[in-house]
Amino acid sequence: NAGVTQTPKFQVLKTGQSMTLQCAQDMNHEYMSWYRQDPGMGLRLIHYSVGAGITDQGEVPNGYNVSRSTTEDFPLRLLSAAPSQTSVYFCATEGNSGNTIYFGEGSWLTVV
Amino acid sequence: DAKTTQPPSMDCAEGRAANLPCNHSTISGNEYVYWYRQIHSQGPQYIIHGLKNNETNEMASLIITEDRKSSTLILPHATLRDTAVYYCIVRVGPDSGYALNFGKGTSLLVTP
Repeated sequence: NAGVTQTPKFQVLKTGQSMTLQCAQDMNHEYMSWYRQDPGMGLRLIHYSVGAGITDQGEVPNGYNVSRSTTEDFPLRLLSAAPSQTSVYFCATEGNSGNTIYFGEGSWLTVV
Repeated sequence: DAKTTQPPSMDCAEGRAANLPCNHSTISGNEYVYWYRQIHSQGPQYIIHGLKNNETNEMASLIITEDRKSSTLILPHATLRDTAVYYCIVRVGPDSGYALNFGKGTSLLVTP
């Protein structure tokens, strides 16, 4: 999955807790995004960024915040975790010169 | 946004060609067709993409019909490691964050 690193790989949260999922890439890609995947379903876009300092909402942004202070990092914050946010989260990046999107290995989040 | 339709499952004998169809009859003129696959719950793996011409790379070939309403992914010599869920995706434009609209995909089982 190229140079996309997600941490942590597994996390259990209690309802109401906050946490940050980290995504880092070493390919100098401008476009970064976060998806979630629920059981038996395809991925859905949460938030995306087309460059440092620029972020925007995807299809399912509620309950999540993002920031893009550097090209390399695109953290996803859960402000007050809910059981409905139990899911697998994937970070993805894309360079300027091509249309290939690379995904990280995923972060498994359980909210109890 | 253009939708895609894929068969839910397919079988293929090891060593034979796997031909995975996809219907995308509402695709717009500047929307690309992407194929990804996902093995278990790993991060989606890029396979190939195209606009209107047929494409080939080291993994697969992509055949797009002249009217662009359907396409076929061809794995020329399937192996057991090709068992995965294959997603045919029409990538949306900037108004939707350049999202990859994952559907439910085709579950390909390669048998010995």
